[in-house]
Amino acid sequence: AQTVTQSQPEMSVQEAETVTLSCTYDTSESNYYLFWYKQPPSRQMILVIRQEAYKQQNATENRFSVNFQKAAKSFSLKISDSQLGDTAMYFCAFMKRDNNAGNMLTFGGGTRLMVKP
Amino acid sequence: DVKVTQSSRYLVKRTGEKVFLECVQDMDHENMFWYRQDPGLGLRLIYFSYDVKMKEKGDIPEGYSVSREKKERFSLILESASTNQTSMYLCASSTKHRGSGNTIYFGEGSWLTVV
Repeated sequence: AQTVTQSQPEMSVQEAETVTLSCTYDTSESNYYLFWYKQPPSRQMILVIRQEAYKQQNATENRFSVNFQKAAKSFSLKISDSQLGDTAMYFCAFMKRDNNAGNMLTFGGGTRLMVKP
Repeated sequence: DVKVTQSSRYLVKRTGEKVFLECVQDMDHENMFWYRQDPGLGLRLIYFSYDVKMKEKGDIPEGYSVSREKKERFSLILESASTNQTSMYLCASSTKHRGSGNTIYFGEGSWLTVV
């Protein structure tokens, strides 16, 4: 079984600054995906960024980037130039890479991020 | 855009009532999921389905059942609601085809309060 741990229940950052959210995971799998999802207040969960474990290059999506350390089983999210709209709950998630149906996500407990003006 | 629709956003039910949470997706996805979200615990998988009439237990299936009679619809059933089932319930769907990148799409959630 996989476990995902987010050690920071809450964080805050000033608008325009950079913040890093931590995530560690435990698995015996060698092929898998890692995700960061964002859940704004009272709104739908959306995918922020995705990393395939076999790729050494860290994924980036505009102001969002990850630091993927496979040996350390660490997957942190960096948000640059933070904006008020980044205020949300952020979830780190793991998915086993499997040819069979049923691509389930295992989630961490979440980090609540507040961006302050 | 993929749309996952949960028909009830907010429900209040009494202990012992039978509760149905409905979810519909419009992208012909094979996989559908029900998660429960609680503070500090993240999302935990209750059940998932990878085809019509097929279902698999997730991490916390006790007290729940599911139904998938049509590909687009996945229902979560609380046979006899209890106060410890007060929570946010999230439905999700995905295609099983790996070319999609295995992205999972979520509904907006159903807030259930059991009194």
